[in-house]
Amino acid sequence: KAGVTQTPRYLIKTRGQQVTLSCSPISGHRSVSWYQQTPGQGLQFLFEYFSETQRNKGNFPGRFSGRQFSNSRSEMNVSTLELGDSALYLCASTLGGNSPYEQYFGPGTRLTVT
Amino acid sequence: QQQVKQSPQSLIVQKGGISIINCAYENTAFDYFPWYQQFPGKGPALLIAIRPDVSEKKEGRFTISFNKSAKQFSLHIMDSQPGDSATYFCAASRPGNQFYFGTGTSLTVIP
Repeated sequence: KAGVTQTPRYLIKTRGQQVTLSCSPISGHRSVSWYQQTPGQGLQFLFEYFSETQRNKGNFPGRFSGRQFSNSRSEMNVSTLELGDSALYLCASTLGGNSPYEQYFGPGTRLTVT
Repeated sequence: QQQVKQSPQSLIVQKGGISIINCAYENTAFDYFPWYQQFPGKGPALLIAIRPDVSEKKEGRFTISFNKSAKQFSLHIMDSQPGDSATYFCAASRPGNQFYFGTGTSLTVIP
């Protein structure tokens, strides 16, 4: 079974631009979560989608948004990029539902904002 | 507020030694406690996980010890190898599938 895939793997953007990151979960997984990882803050939860609905949201500004499609693929969008948005953005998928299941991460998208 | 507190921040162990990483939590609603291993340039990989009805779980050289009353859990890596050098994250999850991560421990195993 293929793992979680994320595209693109690397991205360089300029401050003020917007960016869209994509995530394809493991086949059969219905929950997709997004995390921001930085050396200083560790793994910070952005949001989680289950069956096309945002079920959980972390403490990030409204510039960070996401969506999930009917095939469980998910996209994350960051508008008006700031230098501090430079990070590794990780997507993770689980089977979903109310019981916690094993969560599997993709390789991440390395975003650099200049 | 850090939901899951992890220590130490870094750890250096001799090859063949035991590596121990500790985590503590406050929210008694957490009911799933995984550990992740992350190598540079890679996403975290699920290593081992435990539920609170079990006090210990072992998979190969990796063991989770869980103390429900103290709200603490730890990862023990027996016979540590240089290939185990990585960053380790503990996490906790509650119903509804929201995960909270510790700040990570950088493990270096010296040959």
